[in-house]
Amino acid sequence: GEDVEQSLFLSVREGDSSVINCTYTDSSSTYLYWYKQEPGAGLQLLTYIFSNMDMKQDQRLTVLLNKKDKHLSLRIADTQTGDSAIYFCAEIVPGGYNKLIFGAGTRLAVHP
Amino acid sequence: GAGVSQSPSNKVTEKGKDVELRCDPISGHTALYWYRQSLGQGLEFLIYFQGNSAPDKSGLPSDRFSAERTGGSVSTLTIQRTQQEDSAVYLCASSLGFRGRGEQYFGPGTRLTVT
Repeated sequence: GEDVEQSLFLSVREGDSSVINCTYTDSSSTYLYWYKQEPGAGLQLLTYIFSNMDMKQDQRLTVLLNKKDKHLSLRIADTQTGDSAIYFCAEIVPGGYNKLIFGAGTRLAVHP
Repeated sequence: GAGVSQSPSNKVTEKGKDVELRCDPISGHTALYWYRQSLGQGLEFLIYFQGNSAPDKSGLPSDRFSAERTGGSVSTLTIQRTQQEDSAVYLCASSLGFRGRGEQYFGPGTRLTVT
């Protein structure tokens, strides 16, 4: 079945790197996504990675994919207070019209 | 440019009443999705539209929930005889289509509270 798991909470100091981890179960997933949700707001698409890639970098964001272990991570370099939010990992259900299966979300708290 | 919009942003209703939630997708996006975000269940898929048809309604939790889409654009999610467990944030997303990457862009959501 489909399941996406994330740790629920991460606290980092401003300026440090944050690493948010995710595991998924459907090995046939084609795309994996990271979304950000700030308090009281909807979901903002941050980045995605295709399943035949190992890494994708986009400015301060680096996505790593270990397909063998079904492990996805999001690294945020030089974390700022504005990065405080909930981060959701999501996978596409193959053959499911691209509906997304989300993890429970990781709450990132950035402190001075 | 205009993103996905949803209305109302907040809705408080009494148990047993019907509610309608509206989603206005990004212009030109043929695919539209409804999701629900609640404390106990996290983010869960409800229904998918391609144009005006809904080939996947598998996430609708009961027959009190229905949705329609007209003109390939605006969608309405209707909940009849609301129950307290329906309290959640209802999110709508749209994308260019279900082929390829199919990135979904989300609206701000409608927070529904059933008292």
